[in-house]
Amino acid sequence: DGGITQSPKYLFRKEGQNVTLSCEQNLNHDAMYWYRQDPGQGLRLIYYSQIVNDFQKGDIAEGYSVSREKKESFPLTVTSAQKNPTAFYLCASSIVFSSGSRYEQYFGPGTRLTVT
Amino acid sequence: QQQVKQSPQSLIVQKGGISIINCAYENTAFDYFPWYQQFPGKGPALLIAIRPDVSEKKEGRFTISFNKSAKQFSLHIMDSQPGDSATYFCAASGSSGTASKLTFGTGTRLQVTL
Repeated sequence: DGGITQSPKYLFRKEGQNVTLSCEQNLNHDAMYWYRQDPGQGLRLIYYSQIVNDFQKGDIAEGYSVSREKKESFPLTVTSAQKNPTAFYLCASSIVFSSGSRYEQYFGPGTRLTVT
Repeated sequence: QQQVKQSPQSLIVQKGGISIINCAYENTAFDYFPWYQQFPGKGPALLIAIRPDVSEKKEGRFTISFNKSAKQFSLHIMDSQPGDSATYFCAASGSSGTASKLTFGTGTRLQVTL
């Protein structure tokens, strides 16, 4: 799990409630990412951030929001607008090279969110 | 353009055998191809990665073979062990633009039997 922590490991919420998932890293990585994992669908990118106070939408950003107020932290809020929020959520981080490219991503242990 | 296609979806191999997982990509801007290993309930862990300037990279029992002209790459696990039972994901990314995001295959669930 490297130096990335996600909490909590399991999270239960009722439909219609917003919920925030925590991600903290002590790897001094510039870039951070949120992925969603569903059975048989691999990992899909929700949001990513290359620098503090800046972030970009990934492939499935609808119904999610993020903030990046500190380099170490990249919390994800699953809003009530997300139609199918039950999933395994993974946070990752990577170095950003001077060219702007970023490669090796290191993942946290994940948070399993169940919404009923 | 952004897809990475992975096969097979699941694989059963006897202990000591060779496990082979294949991936194909379309975007010629991709220049980094990692493989991740994931155990149930855990986050994926980077296993091995290759760049297209070499055709093969080996780390212990794990080897990536890369065919640039065919836009394919594969993971070979030699002398497969029960502890290798996990889900394996291939991925690809490039250095700029939309290709700079890591695009994952759909995963292969490997089971190594005794």
